[in-house]
Amino acid sequence: DAGVIQSPRHEVTEMGQEVTLRCKPISGHNSLFWYRQTMMRGLELLIYFNNNVPIDDSGMPEDRFSAKMPNASFSTLKIQPSEPRDSAVYFCATLSGTYNEQFFGPGTRLTVL
Amino acid sequence: DQQVKQNSPSLSVQEGRISILNCDYTNSMFDYFLWYKKYPAEGPTFLISISSIKDKNEDGRFTVFLNKSAKHLSLHIVPSQPGDSAVYFCAASAGSNYQLIWGAGTKLIIKP
Repeated sequence: DAGVIQSPRHEVTEMGQEVTLRCKPISGHNSLFWYRQTMMRGLELLIYFNNNVPIDDSGMPEDRFSAKMPNASFSTLKIQPSEPRDSAVYFCATLSGTYNEQFFGPGTRLTVL
Repeated sequence: DQQVKQNSPSLSVQEGRISILNCDYTNSMFDYFLWYKKYPAEGPTFLISISSIKDKNEDGRFTVFLNKSAKHLSLHIVPSQPGDSAVYFCAASAGSNYQLIWGAGTKLIIKP
């Protein structure tokens, strides 16, 4: 199993541009989480899907952020328009059926200039 | 309101000695606790966990202790090795809620 796959690993864009981050979860894991990590705020949960349905999006900062999970093997996090304060590392994670252990992808480092 | 707190941003320990990382929580509904380890440019990886029905769980060099009355848990690493240098996150969950509440992390530095 390749684990959680995220792409791209690094993204540099200019303010105002649309950014799309992608995640391929571990096969058979029915829950998917998007996190953002910054120096100031640490690891923040943005949104949580279960069986492809968004369960809790209360962590999504504002309307510029949107996330979809069209099927069990793919999810996207989109920022439109992007702003410099969105610069962070974005992680995708899936949930093992045992004991709430989450498996993280390698992250996407986003820099908005 | 930080429900999970790691009050030490960093910790430096001599190689071979014991590393003790601490975590405090405020929500008495938490019943499952996890420790994650994170290297730079990688995602956090699961290290060890403990259920609230236990007070100790051991896995090789890693032991987690839970003191429910004090709402405190700690991770012991013995002996510490250079590869243990990383950021360690404490996380907690309550019941069937899959969401984890995370601490801010402690950067562990193992000195040769």
